[in-house]
Amino acid sequence: SQELEQSPQSLIVQEGKNLTINCTSSKTLYGLYWYKQKYGEGLIFLMMLQKGGEEKSHEKITAKLDEKKQQSSLHITASQPSHAGIYLCGADTYSGAGSYQLTFGKGTKLSVIP
Amino acid sequence: DTEVTQTPKHLVMGMTNKKSLKCEQHMGHRAMYWYKQKAKKPPELMFVYSYEKLSINESVPSRFSPECPNSSLLNLHLHALQPEDSALYLCASSLLSTQYNEQFFGPGTRLTVL
Repeated sequence: SQELEQSPQSLIVQEGKNLTINCTSSKTLYGLYWYKQKYGEGLIFLMMLQKGGEEKSHEKITAKLDEKKQQSSLHITASQPSHAGIYLCGADTYSGAGSYQLTFGKGTKLSVIP
Repeated sequence: DTEVTQTPKHLVMGMTNKKSLKCEQHMGHRAMYWYKQKAKKPPELMFVYSYEKLSINESVPSRFSPECPNSSLLNLHLHALQPEDSALYLCASSLLSTQYNEQFFGPGTRLTVL
């Protein structure tokens, strides 16, 4: 089965600082997803990466998938308190019968100090 | 409409009660999912419905019974639950495309079993 390891487990940064969260897979990634979750709430879809070397940005968040498709990073520029939350990476696993399964990493808890 | 809705938001039930969780989406998605999330853990997949048919059951106890009445609705029927079943229950849906399989999550139902 596919395992995703996220690092760091938690991160505390000063507002305005940049930060990076990593997600490493035990197998080749065919679809890598980044989600954000506020405590006790649903997951908010951020970005999906599929191709080796792919990079996507949305506002101040940039996600990359390495050429070998086994590692992804999420970079936040000039962090704000609104970026605080738990960031989860998820990987696609085809489960047959036309359905896909998401395997999640354990998450990275981000705190941003004003 | 680009959201997944879940009701109720909170539910408290006794071990002898029967209750149901509901999930609805109107994005034309053909896959729907139930996840269970314990505190400080990533979501764990419980069930997947593809084209209204149960395609994955991750060895979930029979006290959880899923139902997909139509392509927009997903229910989770609960009976004789245990206190350890207390968790955040998340519903998600996805397009079931060969290229884009991002899952969109609802806000969750916080379940407490007394």
